[in-house]
Amino acid sequence: KQEVTQIPAALSVPEGENLVLNCSFTDSAIYNLQWFRQDPGKGLTSLLLIQSSQREQTSGRLNASLDKSSGRSTLYIAASQPGDSATYLCAVHSGGSNYKLTFGKGTLLTVNP
Amino acid sequence: DGGITQSPKYLFRKEGQNVTLSCEQNLNHDAMYWYRQDPGQGLRLIYYSQIVNDFQKGDIAEGYSVSREKKESFPLTVTSAQKNPTAFYLCASSISDWGASTEAFFGQGTRLTVV
Repeated sequence: KQEVTQIPAALSVPEGENLVLNCSFTDSAIYNLQWFRQDPGKGLTSLLLIQSSQREQTSGRLNASLDKSSGRSTLYIAASQPGDSATYLCAVHSGGSNYKLTFGKGTLLTVNP
Repeated sequence: DGGITQSPKYLFRKEGQNVTLSCEQNLNHDAMYWYRQDPGQGLRLIYYSQIVNDFQKGDIAEGYSVSREKKESFPLTVTSAQKNPTAFYLCASSISDWGASTEAFFGQGTRLTVV
């Protein structure tokens, strides 16, 4: 059974700092990995999708890496801003007849002005 | 505007009642999903559907039912058999469950409260 773990559970940083969020998964047989952002009381917004054959994806100040063999992904946020404050969720797509997204519990990020 | 629409945003249910949560998408996606989110537990899969007129149970299907009569719609019914229905419910869709480029998109959620 696929399990996804996110560390740390919460992170507080001053504005302007670069930061890294971590995600690990137990079964390396994945199709892809997706990072989401969730604001309080809202749905999930897709940030980045990394295919299993890729090593990294970039969008603006965000960079996500994937090391499938070791079951790890990181989300790097450069020059953090107060507007980046949210919960960040990592999810892996596992294939086969039981296809589904398996989520980590998220990292609550607070960027202080 | 393309996307996933969930309604209502807030829903209150009395003990013993069935309620239905709506999820509609205009993304032409084949696959649709229902998740439940509770504090400290992350998202858990209730049901998913890969194609019209077909759906599979997820990890916590007991007390829930779904239908998929149209590609665009995947309503979730929370029945009186669900012992602890108070939660935030999220609907999602993706192009297909086969292949690598299956990016999932989510609606804004429905918060269900039992009163």
